[in-house]
Amino acid sequence: NAGVTQTPKFRILKIGQSMTLQCTQDMNHNYMYWYRQDPGMGLKLIYYSVGAGITDKGEVPNGYNVSRSTTEDFPLRLELAAPSQTSVYFCASSYSSQGKEKLFFGSGTQLSVL
Amino acid sequence: GENVGLHLPTLSVQEGDNSIINCAYSNSASDYFIWYKQESGKGPQFIIDIRSNMDKRQGQRVTVLLNKTVKHLSLQIAATQPGDSAVYFCAENSHTGTASKLTFGTGTRLQVTL
Repeated sequence: NAGVTQTPKFRILKIGQSMTLQCTQDMNHNYMYWYRQDPGMGLKLIYYSVGAGITDKGEVPNGYNVSRSTTEDFPLRLELAAPSQTSVYFCASSYSSQGKEKLFFGSGTQLSVL
Repeated sequence: GENVGLHLPTLSVQEGDNSIINCAYSNSASDYFIWYKQESGKGPQFIIDIRSNMDKRQGQRVTVLLNKTVKHLSLQIAATQPGDSAVYFCAENSHTGTASKLTFGTGTRLQVTL
């Protein structure tokens, strides 16, 4: 059972470039999330999805886009990369949003924008 | 705004001793709290959780205590081992819209010395 899988693990972008961070889960979770983690800071929610075809903004959505065409996949898109987007990105999933909210995290994508 | 924070950024503990990691929260409406462990280069891993209708919950070598009066959460690790070295995050869960959202603290680094 792979859980939550993220690719790539590392990436360096030039300012203005675009890229997609991939995330897939094989646990049949309805809920999926994208977080970013900056040094010395707590995880910040970028976007989340409560099911296929449904996405919503989190705390820091500016500069990002997401889609959820299937239950398994939740890619995060950066259209015009900026240095402020240098961070570690984590994808997560969960069974539900009510009551017990145990998130399963991927191993992260370390992104540098230069 | 509401936030979750930690008292100590770094905690050094000798192997075999007990560790206590503290967390303060300010959202009185939060009804669910989680502790995560994050090892270097990995995603956060669920350790233990507790609902707001409980004061204490025990797992394997770990205990979480919740004091709602002073809005304080603690994680106790018994007989700390080198493998416990990591950053520990507390998180509070509140319900907003169609999904619940987690707010993470900044983390405490636990260093286990031999």
